[in-house]
Amino acid sequence: QSVLTQPPSVSAAPGQKVTISCSGSSSNIGNNYVSWYQQLPGTAPKLLIYENNKRPSGIPDRFSGSKSGTSATLGITGLQTGDEADYYCGTWDSSLSAGRVVFGGGTKLTVL
Amino acid sequence: QVTLKESGPVLVKPTETLTLTCTVSGFSLSNARMGVSWIRQPPGKALEWLAHIFSNDEKSYSTSLKSRLTISKDTSKSQVVLTMTNMDPVDTATYYCARIRDYDILTGYTYYFDYWGQGTLVTVSS
Repeated sequence: QSVLTQPPSVSAAPGQKVTISCSGSSSNIGNNYVSWYQQLPGTAPKLLIYENNKRPSGIPDRFSGSKSGTSATLGITGLQTGDEADYYCGTWDSSLSAGRVVFGGGTKLTVL
Repeated sequence: QVTLKESGPVLVKPTETLTLTCTVSGFSLSNARMGVSWIRQPPGKALEWLAHIFSNDEKSYSTSLKSRLTISKDTSKSQVVLTMTNMDPVDTATYYCARIRDYDILTGYTYYFDYWGQGTLVTVSS
């Protein structure tokens, strides 16, 4: 059971837009910044979004992030078959005496 | 060019101790507020954070695994080492090391992994 809640799967057609939600609480998303990672099949995760909505160099602007309250959202526009991957949200959680990193359970994106 | 590479055994027996090494390049473990984390992923499952260590030797561990984990670094060798005791088949996973970026912003704290190693699959079986 992951601390952050993501839908197990989403799907959309090529060229369309999709959003992936990530729900948490005040001890994590509510008071800290969210990052998103893309994991293509058989590869290591790759940073997609940091500080809720910033893209590292090389990440196309088809990918966007936002946060409101204790939830965050990853948006992908102009879907391509190469976007098929697992997507994870992550953040710092300060609910325990010692903080920890928490991740969502991951969302599998299928581009139909 | 920042790179991280994990190394260690591919197979360990139940009750044994696992030792994994993360060798980094393109940055120094002695740089101010530089940190490395270990994260694992059981086959077909989600990411799980294990531990981190920073340049000032600040360490933190997953609450559920704290009693079994030890993280350390050798700055001269550019290596971060993770040991996990009393391995069990449920610990079978791909283990990743990743570079941390963390800092306080006016409206909160940010902590994320900007570079990841390729991962190493560790199987626990007799």
